[in-house]
Amino acid sequence: DVKVTQSSRYLVKRTGEKVFLECVQDMDHENMFWYRQDPGLGLRLIYFSYDVKMKEKGDIPEGYSVSREKKERFSLILESASTNQTSMYLCASSFGGIGGGEQYFGPGTRLTVT
Amino acid sequence: AQTVTQSQPEMSVQEAETVTLSCTYDTSENNYYLFWYKQPPSRQMILVIRQEAYKQQNATENRFSVNFQKAAKSFSLKISDSQLGDTAMYFCAFMKLKDDKIIFGKGTRLHILP
Repeated sequence: DVKVTQSSRYLVKRTGEKVFLECVQDMDHENMFWYRQDPGLGLRLIYFSYDVKMKEKGDIPEGYSVSREKKERFSLILESASTNQTSMYLCASSFGGIGGGEQYFGPGTRLTVT
Repeated sequence: AQTVTQSQPEMSVQEAETVTLSCTYDTSENNYYLFWYKQPPSRQMILVIRQEAYKQQNATENRFSVNFQKAAKSFSLKISDSQLGDTAMYFCAFMKLKDDKIIFGKGTRLHILP
């Protein structure tokens, strides 16, 4: 079974803090994704990585950065957390280059910024 | 740009009934993939069913089936003999043929009542 894990289920941070969200997958997937999920807005793509050290901005990259130093690990970084970044963050992974590939999701991290 | 619209934010049905979730999308592509993902309460998102646009036959997975109307750009999900475990948020999603990124709708929250 594919397993995508995220470092925390719940996280509370203060405004201005630097926040790291970690995601690890065990299926040797080329692609990894970070989404933000908000009620009434669905899932919105923050960043996408299609290979180690390769990344592409999604629909809402402002205020976020990412790091992929190893194939299995994809980190989302909030450089200076703000209250409007309070949300559920979902990580996903998939095989690359085959088209129509299923994305496998982690359990999510619910981040609260106070 | 592609868009995915789910017109039913929330639905409730009695256990054992059949329920249909609606989804429409907009694209100028001729070949693409469509998905339904399920997110149970406090659990990971999983793929329910996938449809290739070049296939005329509607996809089926056990109690889950789709009604794919390519000309109308409609992709509804039918759940037969609904069970309490079907209670979840359901997301309709679109992917271009040679892309790895998915565009999600805003979701439909489905409640199965005992």
